[in-house]
Amino acid sequence: GAVVSQHPSWVICKSGTSVKIECRSLDFQATTMFWYRQFPKQSLMLMATSNEGSKATYEQGVEKDKFLINHASLTLSTLTVTSAHPEDSSFYICSARDPYRGDTQYFGPGTRLTVL
Amino acid sequence: EDQVTQSPEALRLQEGESSSLNCSYTVSGLRGLFWYRQDPGKGPEFLFTLYSAGEEKEKERLKATLTKKESFLHITAPKPEDSATYLCAVQAMDSNYQLIWGAGTKLIIKP
Repeated sequence: GAVVSQHPSWVICKSGTSVKIECRSLDFQATTMFWYRQFPKQSLMLMATSNEGSKATYEQGVEKDKFLINHASLTLSTLTVTSAHPEDSSFYICSARDPYRGDTQYFGPGTRLTVL
Repeated sequence: EDQVTQSPEALRLQEGESSSLNCSYTVSGLRGLFWYRQDPGKGPEFLFTLYSAGEEKEKERLKATLTKKESFLHITAPKPEDSATYLCAVQAMDSNYQLIWGAGTKLIIKP
């Protein structure tokens, strides 16, 4: 099946620093990747949609200058949380759309971010 | 407005006790309906995609069905390892392949 990896799986950082999370599709090329945020016991909240080679489209209420998304290749997207604050602590999950498997989104394992 | 509603919120079953989870949806034009399983602290794991009313798909103890208004995830003779949150999502024809999510059903299977 389609495999998506995320790195790191967890990260702890100090307030004011920046953190980069990588999302890779390992066995398929993903023209579209998505970034989600999930709070405890809640469903997934879409943050942004990125198409390879284009600027990401952010959902209402998501600060594009704080959550920088780069989708430079068909297998790699990165999310950088800039000047992180404790309220940015959350579970971040990426997904990649496989156009050859019915446009299904395959998800990474997630990254737990804790900002002290 | 496109919307997905899952019921029940939580379901506790004894091992071997079959049941069904419901996903009701309203969408302007359905491209696909997706079922995922999510374990605590992990990303969702893909289970099924359904595209048109009447379609059915099976995988081990799980069977997904689709009508024009809802989808059911039937679980037959569940085992404790089937315990997880089951998420339903729809993809509209006019979307950028974005998914509209239900809140999920937390399934607990007691041995």
